[in-house]
Amino acid sequence: GNSVTQMEGPVTLSEEAFLTINCTYTATGYPSLFWYVQYPGEGLQLLLKATKADDKGSNKGFEATYRKETTSFHLEKGSVQVSDSAVYFCALSAGGSYIPTFGRGTSLIVHP
Amino acid sequence: NAGVTQTPKFRILKIGQSMTLQCTQDMNHNYMYWYRQDPGMGLKLIYYSVGAGITDKGEVPNGYNVSRSTTEDFPLRLELAAPSQTSVYFCASSTGAGDRVYYQPQHFGDGTRLSIL
Repeated sequence: GNSVTQMEGPVTLSEEAFLTINCTYTATGYPSLFWYVQYPGEGLQLLLKATKADDKGSNKGFEATYRKETTSFHLEKGSVQVSDSAVYFCALSAGGSYIPTFGRGTSLIVHP
Repeated sequence: NAGVTQTPKFRILKIGQSMTLQCTQDMNHNYMYWYRQDPGMGLKLIYYSVGAGITDKGEVPNGYNVSRSTTEDFPLRLELAAPSQTSVYFCASSTGAGDRVYYQPQHFGDGTRLSIL
C-alpha cells in the first residue's frame, strides 16, 4: 500500500537557518506529492505540490522537488522565520481514488 | 468567505453518549472529508463525499456515520462514544474537478477537540 515516512521532530532552528525536512514514500503507480502546514490551533493548509517526477513545488519560500529515483520529496527553506514554527505534513495520493495518505508530521520550532 | 466552518470547537462526552460534529463550507466544493488526528500521528481519513448524496468509507470508519444531503454540509455522527474516539477532528473540502490535484483536501476547518470520559 501507500505510505509516507517523515523525519522525527521536533526540529529546532535559529531564525535565518536553513531548513530541511525529509520525506520518503512508497506508492503504487505515479503519485502526486504534497506538503501541508498546520499552525498552532488551526487546520492544515496546503503548502505546495508536485504531480510528476522532477517537478518542483514552491510557495512562501519553501520548495520541494519530486525525486522518483530516491522516492523522496524533501521540504527546504533557505532562511526560516519564527512565524514558520508549525507542524509540517508530507502526503501523497495515488491510484484512482486520489485520497491522500499523510505522514505523521514534523514539528518545527524556530527561535529568535 | 468563511471557508470551512466546524462546530463545536471543544466538547466533552461521556462514554455511550452520541453527538454530531457539524461541518459546512461556502465554496461550492464537491469533495468533503472527515479526518481524525491523534497526538504524534498523521491524519486518518474517516469518511469522504464526492457530492451531495454520495459518501464512502475511509481508513477508520467504525463508530462513525455521515450524511451529505446538501453540497454545503457534511455532518459526522458518533453514535456510542468510546474513549478511543478521543481525538481532534478535521473537516476539509476540495473542488474535486479539473486537474487531479484539485481532488486533494485544499481547505481545512480549525478542528473539533473531542474528549470521551
